[in-house]
Amino acid sequence: KQEVTQIPAALSVPEGENLVLNCSFTDSAIYNLQWFRQDPGKGLTSLLLIQSSQREQTSGRLNASLDKSSGRSTLYIAASQPGDSATYLCAVSPYNFNKFYFGSGTKLNVKP
Amino acid sequence: GAVVSQHPSRVICKSGTSVKIECRSLDFQATTMFWYRQFPKQSLMLMATSNEGSKATYEQGVEKDKFLINHASLTLSTLTVTSAHPEDSSFYICSASGVGGRGAGNTIYFGEGSWLTVV
Repeated sequence: KQEVTQIPAALSVPEGENLVLNCSFTDSAIYNLQWFRQDPGKGLTSLLLIQSSQREQTSGRLNASLDKSSGRSTLYIAASQPGDSATYLCAVSPYNFNKFYFGSGTKLNVKP
Repeated sequence: GAVVSQHPSRVICKSGTSVKIECRSLDFQATTMFWYRQFPKQSLMLMATSNEGSKATYEQGVEKDKFLINHASLTLSTLTVTSAHPEDSSFYICSASGVGGRGAGNTIYFGEGSWLTVV
C-alpha cells in the first residue's frame, strides 16, 4: 500500500525566507502528485498538480518538483509571506485511479 | 469558483442520530466520487470510492453499514453517518472526477469539506 511521508511536520520561518517542503512516497507507480493547502477549519485548496511524466510545475512563488524514481517531491516557496501560513499536504494518485493517498502535512508558520 | 460543492460545511448532531453530507459536482458529470475523513492532527484517509449507479467500494477498516454512500446521479453523492458517536467527529471531504465542463481531462476536484461534531 502506498505510504506518503512529509517532512518536517512543522516549520516556522521569518517573513521573506525561501523554504522547501518535502514529500516522499513508497510506490513510484503513481499517476500524478498534487500539493494542497489547508487553512485551519477550512477545506483543501489545490496548489500544483504534477503528472507522472513531468518533473516540475510552477505557479507564482511556488515550484513543485517530482522525482518519481526516487519517490520524492519538493514544494519550494519563494519569499514567504505571513499569508502563506497554513498546512501543506502532499498527495499521490495511483495510476489512473483518481483517488489520492495523503501525507500528514507540514504546518507552516511565517512570522511577520 | 468551486466546481465541487459540499453541504453542510459544519454540522453538530446528537449521539445516536444520523447525519447526511452531500457532495455535488457543479458543472460536470461526476462518474466517480471519493470520500475522505480527517481526524484531528492526522492526514486525510480515503474511506470509499463511489461510482454512479453502483455500490461504493469501501477501504479496509471502514464500516459500510455505518457510513452509507449513495451516488444516485451524475452530480450528487451522499455520505450518511448512521447512529453517530462522538468518535465519528471529524472532517469529511469529497473529491470528484468525470466528464464534461471542467471535469474533462481527468482533473480531480475537491469539495470544501464538512466538519461533523457529534455531542
